[in-house]
Amino acid sequence: AQSVSQHNHHVILSEAASLELGCNYSYGGTVNLFWYVQYPGQHLQLLLKYFSGDPLVKGIKGFEAEFIKSKFSFNLRKPSVQWSDTAEYFCAVNAWGSNYKLTFGKGTLLTVNP
Amino acid sequence: DGGITQSPKYLFRKEGQNVTLSCEQNLNHDAMYWYRQDPGQGLRLIYYSQIVNDFQKGDIAEGYSVSREKKESFPLTVTSAQKNPTAFYLCASQSGRTGELFFGEGSRLTVL
Repeated sequence: AQSVSQHNHHVILSEAASLELGCNYSYGGTVNLFWYVQYPGQHLQLLLKYFSGDPLVKGIKGFEAEFIKSKFSFNLRKPSVQWSDTAEYFCAVNAWGSNYKLTFGKGTLLTVNP
Repeated sequence: DGGITQSPKYLFRKEGQNVTLSCEQNLNHDAMYWYRQDPGQGLRLIYYSQIVNDFQKGDIAEGYSVSREKKESFPLTVTSAQKNPTAFYLCASQSGRTGELFFGEGSRLTVL
């Protein structure tokens, strides 16, 4: 069965700082990878996804993530965060052949101070 | 508007009572999911259904039940057997083309 690890439980940054949130998964086969975001008081929404092709994927609001197959990683990055990026971020994976069932990490709470 | 509708948004119940949370989608998706979200634990899968009249247990199905009589609807019942039912419950449907999940706004259940 697949599993997902997010390394940081809570990250606190100042505005304009660079962000990198770690995500590692365990599964030996082909995977689809996702980052979801949950802003305070709002529902979960998709930030970006990787299925195949270019391992560097770009999402909404200036976020990007890089799939490194050899490291089983899919880290989320943003060069310069804003106060409005304060949210909880979830990495998720589904494995081909697992009937598309998504497994989520435990989430990383990002707090951006103005 | 296309999307997932969960109701009620907030629910209070006494211990020992069964509670049913509603989830409706108009995205014409075959697959639907129920997750439970607790602080520091992420999203844990309760039940999922890939097609009408069929559903499977997720990782934490004990104390919960579901039905899938219509494509649009996937209600979740939190039974009195669930030892720690106070939580935030999220319903989602899944695009068969991309695998992406679309979430409802959630239902917060508090058992007194």
